[in-house]
Amino acid sequence: GAVVSQHPSWVICKSGTSVKIECRSLDFQATTMFWYRQFPKQSLMLMATSNEGSKATYEQGVEKDKFLINHASLTLSTLTVTSAHPEDSSFYICSASEPAGAPDTQYFGPGTRLTVL
Amino acid sequence: DQQVKQNSPSLSVQEGRISILNCDYTNSMFDYFLWYKKYPAEGPTFLISISSIKDKNEDGRFTVFLNKSAKHLSLHIVPSQPGDSAVYFCAAMEGSGGSNYKLTFGKGTLLTVNP
Repeated sequence: GAVVSQHPSWVICKSGTSVKIECRSLDFQATTMFWYRQFPKQSLMLMATSNEGSKATYEQGVEKDKFLINHASLTLSTLTVTSAHPEDSSFYICSASEPAGAPDTQYFGPGTRLTVL
Repeated sequence: DQQVKQNSPSLSVQEGRISILNCDYTNSMFDYFLWYKKYPAEGPTFLISISSIKDKNEDGRFTVFLNKSAKHLSLHIVPSQPGDSAVYFCAAMEGSGGSNYKLTFGKGTLLTVNP
């Protein structure tokens, strides 16, 4: 099946710094990528939807100036957590879907564990 | 407001028996439902799905049942195997057309299949 990778898999940073997380579709072109956040024992919450070459669409309550998303190519989307604070510590997962794919062709990355000290 | 609910955080089953994982939803606009399986330190992987026009979909050992009037769906795994031990997420979607498939997830149920 299609593979989606994320880098880094685990990152620790100091409060106030910025962290960039990459999401890559390795063997297919993804016109749409999704970013999720999962707190312990909670569900995956959609943060934003990004389409290649256009601005991301953020879910209600997600600060677009804090969580910068760039989807510059059909295989790469990045999420930058700016001025990170301890409450941003979470598990961030991306997913990618193929053009005109069926609803179940959304492939998830392995996730990135962010810990902000 | 949790639109997709998995009320059982965990389930333990003996190998060879049936595992039944339940999911309830509140949004009547949801018309496509999916189950994902997740191992630790990995992303969710798609397992099986069902459209709202159906009430059952089967794929090998996995069967999903949908009761629209009750806004309830369930995943049956039979026979259960130790390798099925994982967290299972129920997800729902409004409108199955287009390429922007926005999924709403439940909190997941940890299934443990004991040898």
